[in-house]
Amino acid sequence: SQTIHQWPATLVQPVGSPLSLECTVEGTSNPNLYWYRQAAGRGLQLLFYSVGIGQISSEVPQNLSASRPQDRQFILSSKKLLLSDSGFYLCAWMLASEGYTFGSGTRLTVV
Amino acid sequence: DQQVKQNSPSLSVQEGRISILNCDYTNSMFDYFLWYKKYPAEGPTFLISISSIKDKNEDGRFTVFLNKSAKHLSLHIVPSQPGDSAVYFCAASGRGTIQGAQKLVFGQGTRLTINP
Repeated sequence: SQTIHQWPATLVQPVGSPLSLECTVEGTSNPNLYWYRQAAGRGLQLLFYSVGIGQISSEVPQNLSASRPQDRQFILSSKKLLLSDSGFYLCAWMLASEGYTFGSGTRLTVV
Repeated sequence: DQQVKQNSPSLSVQEGRISILNCDYTNSMFDYFLWYKKYPAEGPTFLISISSIKDKNEDGRFTVFLNKSAKHLSLHIVPSQPGDSAVYFCAASGRGTIQGAQKLVFGQGTRLTINP
């Protein structure tokens, strides 16, 4: 079966510290992968998407970056976190008929 | 520029009655629409979808209506149950520019509360 794993579930990081969130999928090959963020009181904003290894598209300019070192692995990173990076981060992959399957999310609080 | 809008941040409905959640979009190139349900601290889960070639799709208690001329869609839940209390996002599909990657544009979400 196809599953998506995302970790950690919660994270509290100081301003200026680095960030690495990992997402892996199982049961599929060459998936389209996505990182979304839900900021407090706002909708889901697309941050990055990837159609294959090493292929990253950025949707909005920001303090974050993404990488896809393996077919089923998608990583969201930052060298120095800002307070405004706080939010709920979601990894997703695309199923044709149902749109996305989302991971369980990571609640990031930058203090 | 908010291409998909859910203008009601919250909605309260009595158990057993109909819940109607609304969504408007501005991009006429959108051709596929979806609704997701999200509980706190969890990822959204797919609920129901509709293609632009249809104006209605029904799945059990959930029905989605699409009015292309008005660029409006709505989700009807009937009868509403306490377990339906969640945040509901509508989403529309657009096309990425690289290798046809499909991206979804989401509305801001509507928090639905079903009162017993």
